[in-house]
Amino acid sequence: AQSVTQLGSHVSVSEGALVLLRCNYSSSVPPYLFWYVQYPNQGLQLLLKYTSAATLVKGINGFEAEFKKSETSFHLTKPSAHMRDAAEYFCAVPLSGGSYIPTFGRGTSLIVHP
Amino acid sequence: DVKVTQSSRYLVKRTGEKVFLECVQDMDHENMFWYRQDPGLGLRLIYFSYDVKMKEKGDIPEGYSVSREKKERFSLILESASTNQTSMYLCASSPSRGGVGYEQFFGPGTRLTVL
Repeated sequence: AQSVTQLGSHVSVSEGALVLLRCNYSSSVPPYLFWYVQYPNQGLQLLLKYTSAATLVKGINGFEAEFKKSETSFHLTKPSAHMRDAAEYFCAVPLSGGSYIPTFGRGTSLIVHP
Repeated sequence: DVKVTQSSRYLVKRTGEKVFLECVQDMDHENMFWYRQDPGLGLRLIYFSYDVKMKEKGDIPEGYSVSREKKERFSLILESASTNQTSMYLCASSPSRGGVGYEQFFGPGTRLTVL
């Protein structure tokens, strides 16, 4: 079964700085990869998803992620952080193959300082 | 606007009580899920359902049961609540076909406290 690892339970950046949140998947190339965002006291919402159509995926709110097979990674980036980006971010991958059941990373809390 | 709704945002119950958490989706999705979310542990799957009256255990089903009598509604039941079930509970749904990548749609969550 697939798994994902998110390095760093907390990432702290200054407003305007680059945001980099790391995600690595465990084994064979998954058909899909997801990033979800959870704002305080809310459920998760989809930020972006990789579907093998393109390795660089653009999402909402200026975020993007690049799929790198050689590094088994799908890191999330944003050039310039805003205060409103403070949230919990989760990477997810299908449990196996094209399964509709995802497995989630443990999450990374993004803290943005003024 | 597509929606997944959960019956309560906050709930306080006593140890031993029977607790019902309800989830309704209006997207005609086949798949529905219940997760619990705890700090540092991410999302853990309790149960899921791929069709009416069908259910499958997830990673942590002990102490929980579910019911899906209608396609749009998926209920999580704590038969006898315990303090270690204090958590945030998230419901999600996804299409089984045609939804590329099976994106999940989440409800706002229910924060359950068991005293």
